[in-house]
Amino acid sequence: NAGVTQTPKFQVLKTGQSMTLQCAQDMNHNSMYWYRQDPGMGLRLIYYSASEGTTDKGEVPNGYNVSRLNKREFSLRLESAAPSQTSVYFCASGTGNGGYTFGSGTRLTVV
Amino acid sequence: GENVEQHPSTLSVQEGDSAVIKCTYSDSASNYFPWYKQELGKRPQLIIDIRSNVGEKKDQRIAVTLNKTAKHFSLHITETQPEDSAVYFCAVRNSGNTPLVFGKGTRLSVIA
Repeated sequence: NAGVTQTPKFQVLKTGQSMTLQCAQDMNHNSMYWYRQDPGMGLRLIYYSASEGTTDKGEVPNGYNVSRLNKREFSLRLESAAPSQTSVYFCASGTGNGGYTFGSGTRLTVV
Repeated sequence: GENVEQHPSTLSVQEGDSAVIKCTYSDSASNYFPWYKQELGKRPQLIIDIRSNVGEKKDQRIAVTLNKTAKHFSLHITETQPEDSAVYFCAVRNSGNTPLVFGKGTRLSVIA
């Protein structure tokens, strides 16, 4: 039982490059989330998927896209990375009315 | 939308003393209030939560209290230990299947 698995753990991109962050959960949760964490800013919601087949924007969606591939997997894509997207990214899953289980995070640097 | 404010942003206590972190929220319909602990370089982990039909919940050295009228809730850690040093986040969910909204975090340092 791995919980929530994120890949990669670290990534360095050049401005303008694209990449996809992968997230998978094995807890049979309906809801999945992507947050970014920046110093002094807490956890800010990028996108979420309340259930398989649905996605919605969060507080800071610009520059990102998501895909809920199936109930287990929820990916985050940066089409053209910018230095402002340097951050730690956390995927999380939950039942929808309770707490979350977070993945271990992806530390992304855009140079 | 929901607005969550968390205070203080940093807190230093002597080992064995108590620590209190407070969060206020704006939406009176909010009904779920979890607290997360994040150690340096690690993921946030749920440590305790409370729902709107309960005023207080305790789990060993940690407790959460909720004042719905005043729209605030607090995390209490008693007999603090060095391993309690971490960043603590409060969060709020206002209804149904909406995402959690997080406070900006409190960095707690327990000085031995």
